[in-house]
Amino acid sequence: EAQVTQNPRYLITVTGKKLTVTCSQNMNHEYMSWYRQDPGLGLRQIYYSMNVEVTDKGDVPEGYKVSRKEKRNFPLILESPSPNQTSLYFCASSFVLGLADTDTQYFGPGTRLTVL
Amino acid sequence: DQQVKQNSPSLSVQEGRISILNCDYTNSMFDYFLWYKKYPAEGPTFLISISSIKDKNEDGRFTVFLNKSAKHLSLHIVPSQPGDSAVYFCAASDSGTGNQFYFGTGTSLTVIP
Repeated sequence: EAQVTQNPRYLITVTGKKLTVTCSQNMNHEYMSWYRQDPGLGLRQIYYSMNVEVTDKGDVPEGYKVSRKEKRNFPLILESPSPNQTSLYFCASSFVLGLADTDTQYFGPGTRLTVL
Repeated sequence: DQQVKQNSPSLSVQEGRISILNCDYTNSMFDYFLWYKKYPAEGPTFLISISSIKDKNEDGRFTVFLNKSAKHLSLHIVPSQPGDSAVYFCAASDSGTGNQFYFGTGTSLTVIP
């Protein structure tokens, strides 16, 4: 089954304790991305990657790191989490988008992070 | 600064009637637009997209209209069904500068049986 998986699905942590949220896709997609969803702000892109070893900042990259060492995995790293990073996080993947109407991103189920 | 805006946080429609969800954008360089549907406790799922070379795209009950001069797109759902009740996000991208996506804040659609 084609899917994007995220782990963990729920995480409660404390300020400053480094954490990693994993993301994996089995569709051989080149493009992967991380978003956060906050009330009244919709989905905001944190980082994205066009291929292995290629990453770019999205709209809200501060406080986050990513790496793309393998095509299927795109972990999100919070080196020193703070309460303002409490949010719902989504990973997504797709083939590199052109203008074809069928190109789209597939989203994972989400990770709800609480930083105390 | 929000480059993609959905000014209606919620919308209620009777089953069988048309649902119209609206989205405005500010960046004239956006050339690819998508609509996603999201149920609670799930990730968004792709619904329909349109590139700037078109002004309309249809997929079954879903039609997206793009008005480039007004920087406005809309999603029409006809006929609306109770299973359409979800949060709908529009998104936009400028393919010339990379694949960064900008999402709206979402519109919660309730279809009343």
